[in-house]
Amino acid sequence: DQQVKQNSPSLSVQEGRISILNCDYTNSMFDYFLWYKKYPAEGPTFLISISSIKDKNEDGRFTVFLNKSAKHLSLHIVPSQPGDSAVYFCAAKRTGAGSYQLTFGKGTKLSVIP
Amino acid sequence: EAQVTQNPRYLITVTGKKLTVTCSQNMNHEYMSWYRQDPGLGLRQIYYSMNVEVTDKGDVPEGYKVSRKEKRNFPLILESPSPNQTSLYFCASSLGVWREAYANTGELFFGEGSRLTVL
Repeated sequence: DQQVKQNSPSLSVQEGRISILNCDYTNSMFDYFLWYKKYPAEGPTFLISISSIKDKNEDGRFTVFLNKSAKHLSLHIVPSQPGDSAVYFCAAKRTGAGSYQLTFGKGTKLSVIP
Repeated sequence: EAQVTQNPRYLITVTGKKLTVTCSQNMNHEYMSWYRQDPGLGLRQIYYSMNVEVTDKGDVPEGYKVSRKEKRNFPLILESPSPNQTSLYFCASSLGVWREAYANTGELFFGEGSRLTVL
């Protein structure tokens, strides 16, 4: 049973416009969420995270929104740039003593068209 | 430079021929893990290690072995590789289990990947 779902395998956006990548989760015990970005032939790299006590976290052009009641988070990229073209993985975990495991979604491939 | 190093980066082998993919990190991280990435399936965890001599199965451990004799190294062993183990493998490390005392974002550092083909 997939606990972290990214239902859009791919997304195409014009340069300069907003990219919105969505992620849903089913496990209510998750309390920390992360986004990773992956370019071809490279390992994933950490992008941004959010704790469940917040509903928004912003870092430059990247903003993550969390809707706990809907078990939904989204990553907004504004404005989108061609260098943002990559696969984006949503991940979730439970914090707390004795627990450190990340559960990943299947990823969404973002293509930013110049 | 902080990094996770995997070797080999590319390997073509045949069914049944034992192989080891090495992973080393220079950040003194407690936690290390192996993932495989397959089309349409995303990143799936194979094995993980909370610390030296402590390892545990992830979601897809069948056909793999690991060991953690030293903090910095976490090799992935395929005793008898099969074609369904053809995949892109990533090693990752992290500071460790969540602690309230410091801000641990849970950030995982990934290696560059090892593309394995089993014929």
